[in-house]
Amino acid sequence: SQQGEEDPQALSIQEGENATMNCSYKTSINNLQWYRQNSGRGLVHLILIRSNEREKHSGRLRVTLDTSKKSSSLLITASRAADTASYFCATATGTYKYIFGTGTRLKVLA
Amino acid sequence: GAVVSQHPSWVICKSGTSVKIECRSLDFQATTMFWYRQFPKQSLMLMATSNEGSKATYEQGVEKDKFLINHASLTLSTLTVTSAHPEDSSFYICSARGAAGGPNTGELFFGEGSRLTVL
Repeated sequence: SQQGEEDPQALSIQEGENATMNCSYKTSINNLQWYRQNSGRGLVHLILIRSNEREKHSGRLRVTLDTSKKSSSLLITASRAADTASYFCATATGTYKYIFGTGTRLKVLA
Repeated sequence: GAVVSQHPSWVICKSGTSVKIECRSLDFQATTMFWYRQFPKQSLMLMATSNEGSKATYEQGVEKDKFLINHASLTLSTLTVTSAHPEDSSFYICSARGAAGGPNTGELFFGEGSRLTVL
């Protein structure tokens, strides 16, 4: 069964705005990763945050992790039309068996 | 980053036939590969974990006789959908984990996916 629930399910914003997606999970984790998927394509790894980390940055991406609330957020700043994609969080519980969240479909309007 | 190749990227077959999908790690050794299934506009559902040289571990609800997984080498895992039916039509994605101790230890890399359509 899926471990992560993401919210919102769909998000539509204007180019230049920030996009925030949230992920909640159910059990203890070793790490949490965010992935991006363009329609009909495979997944691209964006960022990994370990359970002892609280925040991580990569370019225009900022990820936070709150293990007490079992939640993570992905912030994309200054969004571009090319950021239009589905974004998934994935959690690992020690065996590198990753369980994916329900995903957020982001549409950035030019 | 490391490259995982999936083949074929799309396949159409008749009901009752079997289809084999290959997942290869091109520039690293992968002790473990994972097979996922994705329905339109939905998330990835883990089907099974494939370990090199041993039997695959299937998730609850996944028929092991229906979805045969073989991981005969450190760079290749195959998923065979046997006696395919229209309800097996889906997007299948594999991922590979780098072998312990190597430069890609623990990282997960994804293939581009294989779209199966069963008529």
